[in-house]
Amino acid sequence: DGGITQSPKYLFRKEGQNVTLSCEQNLNHDAMYWYRQDPGQGLRLIYYSQIVNDFQKGDIAEGYSVSREKKESFPLTVTSAQKNPTAFYLCASSDYRRNTEAFFGQGTRLTVV
Amino acid sequence: AQKVTQAQTEISVVEKEDVTLDCVYETRDTTYYLFWYKQPPSGELVFLIRRNSFDEQNEISGRYSWNFQKSTSSFNFTITASQVVDSAVYFCALSDEGGTGRRALTFGSGTRLQVQP
Repeated sequence: DGGITQSPKYLFRKEGQNVTLSCEQNLNHDAMYWYRQDPGQGLRLIYYSQIVNDFQKGDIAEGYSVSREKKESFPLTVTSAQKNPTAFYLCASSDYRRNTEAFFGQGTRLTVV
Repeated sequence: AQKVTQAQTEISVVEKEDVTLDCVYETRDTTYYLFWYKQPPSGELVFLIRRNSFDEQNEISGRYSWNFQKSTSSFNFTITASQVVDSAVYFCALSDEGGTGRRALTFGSGTRLQVQP
């Protein structure tokens, strides 16, 4: 089945560690996105990418990094520079040229311990 | 500046009542796209509707309807005869380029709808 797969579903990080969240899609979409959602809050854009080897900062990119080496994959690294990383992270993809709706993964809940 | 505003943080209704969720957006683009998503307690976002800026026709899908008005930059969502299963957080989103040449998808802060039996 086509879709977006995020892993892991739950992730625990010690303070000072970097962690990488995986996002893979088999929808052949050009555009991919990472959002952060805090309890009771909306979705805030971290990074987005419209083509391979190109990505743009969103509204809250500080403390995060991404790569887009393959069309199917858009991993997000939460670095130790991110002061408050505990949140729910959602990855999405869309057909950029046709401006279709974005399809979302099931999310990764990151907790700093 | 906030691009998508959902002023209603939380709404509580009794089953079978009608409810309207407001969405006001801001963009300088002439071509843009608007969306509504539903987020049930499981967390995954469910797509509801997409509308482009050139199509101001209202749309009805079962108990759901959408009212798009460019003159007021609004894209409101109405649920008729609400049901308990409609309880969720609803997000309005805008896709535009904002002069960057790249299209980003921006969400509002969401409206939590609680439908009481």
